[in-house]
Amino acid sequence: AQKITQTQPGMFVQEKEAVTLDCTYDTSDQSYGLFWYKQPSSGEMIFLIYQGSYDEQNATEGRYSLNFQKARKSANLVISASQLGDSAMYFCAMERGNQAGTALIFGKGTTLSVSS
Amino acid sequence: DSGVTQTPKHLITATGQRVTLRCSPRSGDLSVYWYQQSLDQGLQFLIQYYNGEERAKGNILERFSAQQFPDLHSELNLSSLELGDSALYFCASSLHTGGRPLHFGNGTRLTVT
Repeated sequence: AQKITQTQPGMFVQEKEAVTLDCTYDTSDQSYGLFWYKQPSSGEMIFLIYQGSYDEQNATEGRYSLNFQKARKSANLVISASQLGDSAMYFCAMERGNQAGTALIFGKGTTLSVSS
Repeated sequence: DSGVTQTPKHLITATGQRVTLRCSPRSGDLSVYWYQQSLDQGLQFLIQYYNGEERAKGNILERFSAQQFPDLHSELNLSSLELGDSALYFCASSLHTGGRPLHFGNGTRLTVT
């Protein structure tokens, strides 16, 4: 069965430092997509970054990058130069399904706290 | 702003009641997804519609039902509500199905008392 594991319930980092949020996944599919979402305390879900299983390069979006290691089935999120506004819950998710229909399977999330 | 609109933002109701949550997808998006976020279950996929047709089903209870209308908005109906149905219900949309990020609405927070 497909599964997403986020082993860090909470992470603490100082402003301007980089932080890595861990995510491992389990799937027998050859083609899949991996996502990271941010959920601030206000509750909305904000898309951060996407990595396709066949993408040769690691995805980057501004200060966010995804360290994709296919053989290890890991898709860690790296946030560079942390800001106070980065304090939030972060979810790793994997897409399951096909062209007919899809769904995201989410991990339990990691709470990131950024201090000044 | 994701462009996905959910109403109402908050809903408080009693056990045994029925409620309807509404979602308008981003302009041009054909797929609508419903997710439930609760403290004990985390974020769970409920159901997906694409251009009016049900396409994928997750852990959606029989007491829950959804539909997508010709104008592409969607409604999630929750009936015979129980305390455990209290959760944040998200709607998300995408242009097609699969392979691209879902854009989430701000959610409807349902409290069952």
